[in-house]
Amino acid sequence: NAGVTQTPKFQVLKTGQSMTLQCAQDMNHEYMSWYRQDPGMGLRLIHYSVGAGITDQGEVPNGYNVSRSTTEDFPLRLLSAAPSQTSVYFCASSPPGDTRGGTQYFGPGTRLLVL
Amino acid sequence: QQQVKQSPQSLIVQKGGISIINCAYENTAFDYFPWYQQFPGKGPALLIAIRPDVSEKKEGRFTISFNKSAKQFSLHIMDSQPGDSATYFCAASGGWGKLQFGAGTQVVVTP
Repeated sequence: NAGVTQTPKFQVLKTGQSMTLQCAQDMNHEYMSWYRQDPGMGLRLIHYSVGAGITDQGEVPNGYNVSRSTTEDFPLRLLSAAPSQTSVYFCASSPPGDTRGGTQYFGPGTRLLVL
Repeated sequence: QQQVKQSPQSLIVQKGGISIINCAYENTAFDYFPWYQQFPGKGPALLIAIRPDVSEKKEGRFTISFNKSAKQFSLHIMDSQPGDSATYFCAASGGWGKLQFGAGTQVVVTP
C-alpha cells in the first residue's frame, strides 16, 4: 500500500490564483481530513469527510473547498489564494475501526507559499 | 483559541535522560488522547494513545500518564535516544471532526 499520497510536494502561488491540492489513499478508509500546520499553532482541521459524498467544515474552513466523489480521493481547493494561506497542508485518513477520529494516517504534506 | 495547551515549546535532553511533555484540556467531551511524532519534512505519525478510563499506558520507552480530574495528560520518553529528536504533538478527540492538537514540542536529544 502507498498509504496517503499528496501532490504537489511544493507550490508557489500568486495572490488571487486558485489551485487544487490532491490527496489519495489506498487503504479503503472512509474518514479523510485536511489540516494546515503553522508554526506555534499545531495542526488545525480545515475540512473532513466521513465517506464519499459527505463533507463537513473543520476549525478553519474559510477560503477552502472540498469534495469527495470517491472513497480514495479528497482534493482541497483554494479558491483565491491569499498570503495567509501560506502553510504546510496535510491530508490524513482514519481506519474503519477508529470511531473517534483520533487515529490518523498522515500524508507527506504539501508546502504552499502564496506571494 | 487552543483547546489543548501543550508545554514546553521545546526541550533539550541528554541521551539516556527522560523527556516529559505536558498537555491540558478543558472540554470534558474529549474521550481519546493520542500523541503524534513528527520528523522534519514528514507528516505526523501516531505514537501512542490513551482513553480516559486508564491512568497510564506504556509502549516501549514511551508512557502516557492521564489525570482525568485535573484534565491533564503527559508523555514520558524514557532513556531518550538521538533518534527520538522530533516534534511531538498531543491531541484530544471528541469524535469525527473534533480532533484538537496542541501546539507541539520540539525535542532535541544530545549525544
